[in-house]
Amino acid sequence: DGGITQSPKYLFRKEGQNVTLSCEQNLNHDAMYWYRQDPGQGLRLIYYSQIVNDFQKGDIAEGYSVSREKKESFPLTVTSAQKNPTAFYLCASSIPVSGANVLTFGAGSRLTVL
Amino acid sequence: AQSVTQPDIHITVSEGASLELRCNYSYGATPYLFWYVQSPGQGLQLLLKYFSGDTLVQGIKGFEAEFKRSQSSFNLRKPSVHWSDAAEYFCAVGPRSGNQFYFGTGTSLTVIP
Repeated sequence: DGGITQSPKYLFRKEGQNVTLSCEQNLNHDAMYWYRQDPGQGLRLIYYSQIVNDFQKGDIAEGYSVSREKKESFPLTVTSAQKNPTAFYLCASSIPVSGANVLTFGAGSRLTVL
Repeated sequence: AQSVTQPDIHITVSEGASLELRCNYSYGATPYLFWYVQSPGQGLQLLLKYFSGDTLVQGIKGFEAEFKRSQSSFNLRKPSVHWSDAAEYFCAVGPRSGNQFYFGTGTSLTVIP
């Protein structure tokens, strides 16, 4: 079955460390996204990528970095510059359906800073 | 500015009762509208979407939603709630072109037996 795989499911980080969250999709979708979810705040867009080797900042990109070297992969690095990184991170991909993008989500990764 | 409002943070219903979750949006153009459901610790699953045409759309798990342009609303309904429907529900709007989606803050649904 096609889908989006996020790993790890749970990740603990000490302050000052960078961590990388993996996102792999086998849906052959062109666009991929990273969202951050905090209680009571819904989903906020960190970065998105429409094609390989191209990505755009979302609303809360500060302290995060991404790469898109392959169509299937869109890893997110949470850097030490991110002041409050503890959150639930969701990766998504999309493909146009009837002319509109429809998001498909992975199961998420929960990052906790100790 | 584009935004999505889900005025109910938390709703409790009895199993078998009807359900309506509210969603209002502010968008500069005619949007595409979505409802997603999220179980604890999981990703979001698409329940239904509205692009155009019939303003009453049917989704999975017995859910439906009605688009009311005059009220800028896209409320989600289910005639009879099951215990397995307990989850968090998110309304979202998306562009007719582009990749910027806007999500509401979610409504948490508790179902009591």
